[in-house]
Amino acid sequence: GNSVTQMEGPVTLSEEAFLTINCTYTATGYPSLFWYVQYPGEGLQLLLKATKADDKGSNKGFEATYRKETTSFHLEKGSVQVSDSAVYFCALSDLTNAGKSTFGDGTTLTVKP
Amino acid sequence: EAGVVQSPRYKIIEKKQPVAFWCNPISGHNTLYWYRQNLGQGPELLIRYENEEAVDDSQLPKDRFSAERLKGVDSTLKIQPAELGDSAVYLCASSLDQLANFNEQFFGPGTRLTVL
Repeated sequence: GNSVTQMEGPVTLSEEAFLTINCTYTATGYPSLFWYVQYPGEGLQLLLKATKADDKGSNKGFEATYRKETTSFHLEKGSVQVSDSAVYFCALSDLTNAGKSTFGDGTTLTVKP
Repeated sequence: EAGVVQSPRYKIIEKKQPVAFWCNPISGHNTLYWYRQNLGQGPELLIRYENEEAVDDSQLPKDRFSAERLKGVDSTLKIQPAELGDSAVYLCASSLDQLANFNEQFFGPGTRLTVL
């Protein structure tokens, strides 16, 4: 079956530091890849997505590139802010497997001023 | 545009009691999902609906869990009887349909269930 493995947290950074959260996946088909973010007390919301190999998703200064050769979709941001503190989930959706979605376990990011 | 609405936000019950969660998806979204999220883990799919049809309920513990989406709009998830291990956050999500937007999902805030 499909699976998503995320870098274990928690991750603590100082404001303006560079962020990388690793995500690798296993899929039988050709998945679309997503990063969702969950702020305290809120539901998950889509941060960015990429639907085919070499696509780059970007939003709010975050980026991730769909790397089929390494089956990875690492999340990066050049300069984090305190407001980026949240839990980040990597996910895939496999349209060749009835659209089934698989989520990683999440990585908690804390940014300190 | 209103987002996915869930109620209640919090529920505390004793084991062996029944409990129900309600979800109203975004207007026009045909696909509705129920997930369970245990502490420190990602969401795990319980059931997915396309309109009123349950198209994937393979992960739903059918001995105690049931769900319905009678008119293809809002949905109810029920647990009867609840067990200690059911303590989790129950998330509802919706999407336009399975193929549109590559299955981008919109999540509600969740219901945090505590079973004592």
